[in-house]
Amino acid sequence: SAVISQKPSRDICQRGTSLTIQCQVDSQVTMMFWYRQQPGQSLTLIATANQGSEATYESGFVIDKFPISRPNLTFSTLTVSNMSPEDSSIYLCSVEGPSGIQYEQYFGPGTRLTVT
Amino acid sequence: GQQVMQIPQYQHVQEGEDFTTYCNSSTTLSNIQWYKQRPGGHPVFLIQLVKSGEVKKQKRLTFQFGEAKKNSSLHITATQTTDVGTYFCAGIIQGAQKLVFGQGTRLTINP
Repeated sequence: SAVISQKPSRDICQRGTSLTIQCQVDSQVTMMFWYRQQPGQSLTLIATANQGSEATYESGFVIDKFPISRPNLTFSTLTVSNMSPEDSSIYLCSVEGPSGIQYEQYFGPGTRLTVT
Repeated sequence: GQQVMQIPQYQHVQEGEDFTTYCNSSTTLSNIQWYKQRPGGHPVFLIQLVKSGEVKKQKRLTFQFGEAKKNSSLHITATQTTDVGTYFCAGIIQGAQKLVFGQGTRLTINP
C-alpha cells in the first residue's frame, strides 16, 4: 500500500492568514483527492487533483479559497486562504486504494487546523 | 444536500452486545463502501459492495447491500473494545463520478 504523509499534522492559525498543507505519496498516483472533515462531521470532498491539469472543485469550494497544486505524480498541496474560524477542520488528502477498487479512498493522516 | 444518510449518529453499547448502522440513499448507488475511523485517526477502507442484495462478512462484521441498491447496513456481532470508532458508509451515486460519505455512526463501548 502507498504511504501518505501530510505536513503539518496540526496548526493553529490566526484569521485572515493562509496555510498550505502538503501531501506526499511514496508512489506515483494519477489522482489525489482533498477532503475536509469538520469536528465530529462527515468527510466532504473539496477537489480532485490530477497532475498536469487544473484541479476539479466540488460544489461549494472555489479555487480562490482553496488553491491546489499538483506539480508531479507524488505530491500535492492545498492552501486554505484568508482563513476564518469556520475553516477549522481536519484536512485529509487521499489517493485511490491499492486493491484496484474504483474510488476506494486511501487516506493520509490528516492535518488538524484550528483558526482563532 | 446530503444524498447519503446514515443512522444512528451515535450508539453506545456494552461490550459483547451487537451493533448495527444503516445507510440510505435517495438515489440508486453504483456501489457502497464502508470505512472505519478510530478516534484521532483517519478513515480506513473496510469493504465495497457492488451487487444488489450482496452480503459480505469480515469476521464479526456483516455488510449488506439492499436489493434496490439504495441502502446498506453494517452489523457487528459481539462488539469488542477494539470496535470503537466512527463507521462511515460512502456511495457512488449512479451517473456521478465521486464518492459521497454518510454522516457516520460513532460507536462507543462500555467494557
